Amino acid sequence: GAVVSQHPSWVICKSGTSVKIECRSLDFQATTMFWYRQFPKQSLMLMATSNEGSKATYEQGVEKDKFLINHASLTLSTLTVTSAHPEDSSFYICSAYTPGSRTDTQYFGPGTRLTVL
Amino acid sequence: SQQGEEDPQALSIQEGENATMNCSYKTSINNLQWYRQNSGRGLVHLILIRSNEREKHSGRLRVTLDTSKKSSSLLITASRAADTASYFCATAGGGDMRFGAGTRLTVKP
Repeated sequence: GAVVSQHPSWVICKSGTSVKIECRSLDFQATTMFWYRQFPKQSLMLMATSNEGSKATYEQGVEKDKFLINHASLTLSTLTVTSAHPEDSSFYICSAYTPGSRTDTQYFGPGTRLTVL
Repeated sequence: SQQGEEDPQALSIQEGENATMNCSYKTSINNLQWYRQNSGRGLVHLILIRSNEREKHSGRLRVTLDTSKKSSSLLITASRAADTASYFCATAGGGDMRFGAGTRLTVKP
């Protein structure tokens, strides 16, 4: 099956610093990647939809200047949490999807746990 | 925003018993998928049911879909302690996927 990786798997940073999370589709090309955030014991909340070569579409309530998304190639999307604060501590999960595929299945990465001190 | 709700929010059963989780959603869908997530880990895709299907089986899993009621159920038969996890339904339509709140299942040995 399709494989999506995320790097790093976990990161601890100081308040005020920026953190970049990578999402890669390893064996297929993904025109669309999604970024989700999950707080403890809660469900996944869609943050933004990233289409290769164009600006990301952010969900209501998600600050686009704080969560910078770049989808420069068909196999890589990055999420940069700028000026991170403790409330940004969360589990960030990406998924990759190719429209027009036989199913609407998204392939999920293993997640990145961010802890902001 | 979340698409739907799972119920129950938490379920505790003994090993060997069946576990049933329900999911309701709000908008029209192309398909509905169930995922499993162990604490602090990534998602594991369990099963996908298309909007024109009513029931699907995979091993000990049975999923039903009622598009008229906008609801789905996941049945895990002969549960095992290793089934302990959170289970989420997710609806897909045009590439957009929305997750329900999830059911935390605990299977006691």
